[in-house]
Amino acid sequence: KQEVTQIPAALSVPEGENLVLNCSFTDSAIYNLQWFRQDPGKGLTSLLLIQSSQREQTSGRLNASLDKSSGRSTLYIAASQPGDSATYLCAVSYNFNKFYFGSGTKLNVKP
Amino acid sequence: DTGVSQNPRHKITKRGQNVTFRCDPISEHNRLYWYRQTLGQGPEFLTYFQNEAQLEKSRLLSDRFSAERPKGSFSTLEIQRTEQGDSAMYLCASSPGQGAVGELFFGEGSRLTVL
Repeated sequence: KQEVTQIPAALSVPEGENLVLNCSFTDSAIYNLQWFRQDPGKGLTSLLLIQSSQREQTSGRLNASLDKSSGRSTLYIAASQPGDSATYLCAVSYNFNKFYFGSGTKLNVKP
Repeated sequence: DTGVSQNPRHKITKRGQNVTFRCDPISEHNRLYWYRQTLGQGPEFLTYFQNEAQLEKSRLLSDRFSAERPKGSFSTLEIQRTEQGDSAMYLCASSPGQGAVGELFFGEGSRLTVL
């Protein structure tokens, strides 16, 4: 069974801090991994996608890395802002048919 | 390109009634997915279409659930004889077709409340 785990489940930090969110998966033969942001009551917004052949992707203050051999990905957020407060989800796919999601990390950035 | 559109955004129904949700994917995306999300959990896979063909269904999709994608455009998800346990957010996502890397784009979701 494919499992995706996200740690921590919740995180509260003061504004300006750099932070790291973790995602681990049981089967390392992934096709790609995608990070999403979800605001309360809303759908998911794509942040970054890393293909299996890539080690990292960057977008603005976000950097996602992928280590297939250890079954891990990290999402690094630099200089956090209150507007970054949301739930962050990672999803892995092994083909195009389905994606497996973690339960997310709920981030609160305090002003 | 207006993104993935889902309707209705919120549906309240009584137990035993049937409900239908509609998803309009991003134009020219030939892959379409339905997921279900309950509070505090990540989305759970329900079903996947490539064009009009339903290629995979989750065991979560009981015989009360059915999904269609006629002509490979919009999709509908119908739940018959709703139960309180069906209360959840139903999310639709689409993805570009062959040759693309498979990035998922989600709609805003349809929230179902079964009384």
